[in-house]
Amino acid sequence: EAQVTQNPRYLITVTGKKLTVTCSQNMNHEYMSWYRQDPGLGLRQIYYSMNVEVTDKGDVPEGYKVSRKEKRNFPLILESPSPNQTSLYFCASSPVGGGYTFGSGTRLTVV
Amino acid sequence: SQQGEEDPQALSIQEGENATMNCSYKTSINNLQWYRQNSGRGLVHLILIRSNEREKHSGRLRVTLDTSKKSSSLLITASRAADTASYFCAPHNTDKLIFGTGTRLQVFP
Repeated sequence: EAQVTQNPRYLITVTGKKLTVTCSQNMNHEYMSWYRQDPGLGLRQIYYSMNVEVTDKGDVPEGYKVSRKEKRNFPLILESPSPNQTSLYFCASSPVGGGYTFGSGTRLTVV
Repeated sequence: SQQGEEDPQALSIQEGENATMNCSYKTSINNLQWYRQNSGRGLVHLILIRSNEREKHSGRLRVTLDTSKKSSSLLITASRAADTASYFCAPHNTDKLIFGTGTRLQVFP
């Protein structure tokens, strides 16, 4: 089944403790992206990647890192999480210029 | 901003009625996409309309695009309670897809 898999689905962590949210797609898509969704603010893009070893900042990249060492994986790294990064996170992938396939989301709480 | 802006923010209708949602944007686009999101779940791609297309259908969905007015509309015909969700338009230009805050559709049985 064609899908984008994010893990974990739920995560509660403490301020400053590094964490990684994994994202993997099995559709050989070139493009991958991370979004965060907050009430009243909609979905905001954090980082995106056009292909392996190519990443770019989205609208809200501060406090996040990404890497794209393989085509299928695009992990999101929070080096030192803070409470304002509490949010619902989505990973998505697409062929160039095509529709996006979204993961099921990761609900992150930073206390 | 390239962001799509949906209108209305919220819409409540009875089952069987049609639902129309509008989207406006400000920049040139390659295509415009519509997505649905059930509460707290991932977004689901509904339909993509290219900049050289004016209308597209998919089942009970009909999307129009007017690039001269930088606007699009999504029509859901004969709505069902299962159509209750948030709907987002997303203009696409080169390498980015930017979402608005969506239209919350409530369909009452």
